[in-house]
Amino acid sequence: GENVEQHPSTLSVQEGDSAVIKCTYSDSASNYFPWYKQELGKGPQLIIDIRSNVGEKKDQRIAVTLNKTAKHFSLHITETQPEDSAVYFCAASKAYQLIWGAGTKLIIKP
Amino acid sequence: KAGVTQTPRYLIKTRGQQVTLSCSPISGHRSVSWYQQTPGQGLQFLFEYFSETQRNKGNFPGRFSGRQFSNSRSEMNVSTLELGDSALYLCASSVAQGGFGTNEKLFFGSGTQLSVL
Repeated sequence: GENVEQHPSTLSVQEGDSAVIKCTYSDSASNYFPWYKQELGKGPQLIIDIRSNVGEKKDQRIAVTLNKTAKHFSLHITETQPEDSAVYFCAASKAYQLIWGAGTKLIIKP
Repeated sequence: KAGVTQTPRYLIKTRGQQVTLSCSPISGHRSVSWYQQTPGQGLQFLFEYFSETQRNKGNFPGRFSGRQFSNSRSEMNVSTLELGDSALYLCASSVAQGGFGTNEKLFFGSGTQLSVL
């Protein structure tokens, strides 16, 4: 079955710097890769997603890249702000069921 | 539009008891899925319901069960609670217009924090 590994488990960056979180997946048939952000006391919220027919997708300060050959995808956050502090989850999916990474706690230092 | 509503927000039970959690999806959403979230295990998929039918199930024991009503509201039940069942239980809904096999955006509730003593 599918397995998703996410690194790092904790990431601390200076406000204004960039943050990168990486995930690898095992099943080459996976075709959908969303990223969710979970703030304290709330459920996860989708921030960006990418499908296997696309290599990169951007939405303002957030971007996701996908390398199908290497079976990994990454979340890039530029010009980080205090409100970016949260836990970020990646996931991989085929036929609907999502397999989740273990999460990355992003800390933005003032 | 109201978001996904989960009740209760917090729950304390003792071992051996059973518990029922409730989830009201966003109006118009036909799919409801349940997840268990623990610090060590991340998000683990329990099951998904679409039009009152369970169409997807994770690797959890039979003590975990669920159902969906005709108005798409869903309940999750855990019988014979164990200490290891302590977790945040999240419900997510989606439109699921594409039917089975379609990957769509999930909208999560804030969860029910279950503590088993």
